[in-house]
Amino acid sequence: GIQVEQSPPDLILQEGANSTLRCNFSDSVNNLQWFHQNPWGQLINLFYIPSGTKQNGRLSATTVATERYSLLYISSSQTTDSGVYFCAAPWPSGGSYIPTFGRGTSLIVHP
Amino acid sequence: DSGVTQTPKHLITATGQRVTLRCSPRSGDLSVYWYQQSLDQGLQFLIQYYNGEERAKGNILERFSAQQFPDLHSELNLSSLELGDSALYFCASSALQGSGNTIYFGEGSWLTVV
Repeated sequence: GIQVEQSPPDLILQEGANSTLRCNFSDSVNNLQWFHQNPWGQLINLFYIPSGTKQNGRLSATTVATERYSLLYISSSQTTDSGVYFCAAPWPSGGSYIPTFGRGTSLIVHP
Repeated sequence: DSGVTQTPKHLITATGQRVTLRCSPRSGDLSVYWYQQSLDQGLQFLIQYYNGEERAKGNILERFSAQQFPDLHSELNLSSLELGDSALYFCASSALQGSGNTIYFGEGSWLTVV
């Protein structure tokens, strides 16, 4: 199946700092999603971004499908950004496409 | 609120017991996925249903089973529970089953086996 690798595994920031999270995937995909898992365990959709760049407030994401990677940018980080960030790429199986997750980047933002 | 509803939110049970986790997908979504998240294993895909039929299987144990009902809600049955089954179980849904679909997660069911 598809391999999804995320880096860095851990990140510690001071409030106000910027950061870039990376997601590499082993096969060509036409779907890439980013999620934020908050400290209460909820998985929240951030971006559906098969290619190009999208922005949502302080967050933006870029996927370069031809080079098999996606980046998530967090600017002016806040303590509420803490949690784990996952990317997921589809893996074909039995006529379906199963979102396959990386191991995540654990982010801690200190006040 | 993603629109995906999971119950119960928390469950504590003893080894050897059986539990059922329930999921209602977003309105109109035909595809349901189950994932297991444990501390050291990340988000592991278990099984997927589309419009009532099983479509894909991941690393689901034989002690676990699932189904999707005509009203599209799904249940995940976990039996002969072991301590290692303690995890956060997620249900997710998407409109279809193609690669271009956005997947939405419920809040999860925290299972603790003691």
